[in-house]
Amino acid sequence: ETGVTQSPTHLIKTRGQQVTLRCSSQSGHNTVSWYQQALGQGPQFIFQYYREEENGRGNFPPRFSGLQFPNYSSELNVNALELDDSALYLCASSSRDRALRGYTFGSGTRLTVV
Amino acid sequence: KQEVTQIPAALSVPEGENLVLNCSFTDSAIYNLQWFRQDPGKGLTSLLLIQSSQREQTSGRLNASLDKSSGRSTLYIAASQPGDSATYLCAVTTTGANSKLTFGKGITLSVRP
Repeated sequence: ETGVTQSPTHLIKTRGQQVTLRCSSQSGHNTVSWYQQALGQGPQFIFQYYREEENGRGNFPPRFSGLQFPNYSSELNVNALELDDSALYLCASSSRDRALRGYTFGSGTRLTVV
Repeated sequence: KQEVTQIPAALSVPEGENLVLNCSFTDSAIYNLQWFRQDPGKGLTSLLLIQSSQREQTSGRLNASLDKSSGRSTLYIAASQPGDSATYLCAVTTTGANSKLTFGKGITLSVRP
């Protein structure tokens, strides 16, 4: 069984630019969620996708958006980047019975906004 | 609103010591609780998953317990090794159709040789 793959691993962007992060979910999983982890903090929930639709959102502005594709892979898009968007972005996949199976995380994308 | 607390933020122990990491949460309506390990700058590795109906789970030198009614979980690490040095994060899965993980800030463990 393949794990969760995220790309790229590192990225440097300038304030005001736009960025797209990608995630391939684990085989057999149909739900993808995204988390932002600032330095020294626990991950914060951004949003979750199931069957290509957003299925829950945390306290993040609309410039954070996403997509899920028919193969359950996903993208996180951030527009008008701000310095505070610098963080580790984590993707997690799960199945609908995540009460039993929990979540599997990728290695993350380190985004630096300068 | 679910809140997860992990105290202390950092812990340093000598090699070989048995240790307990604590986690508390405010809302007992959870599906499960997961303990993760995170090495510096890396992603999260799942260590143990305890379903809400269970009291504990074991994997090798690790044992996690869950007391849902009191909103507490502990991760017990036996015979700690320098390779156990990492940040340990506790997270609960909230109930409901749009369930998500709510994390604590983590405990950074350093095991001294």
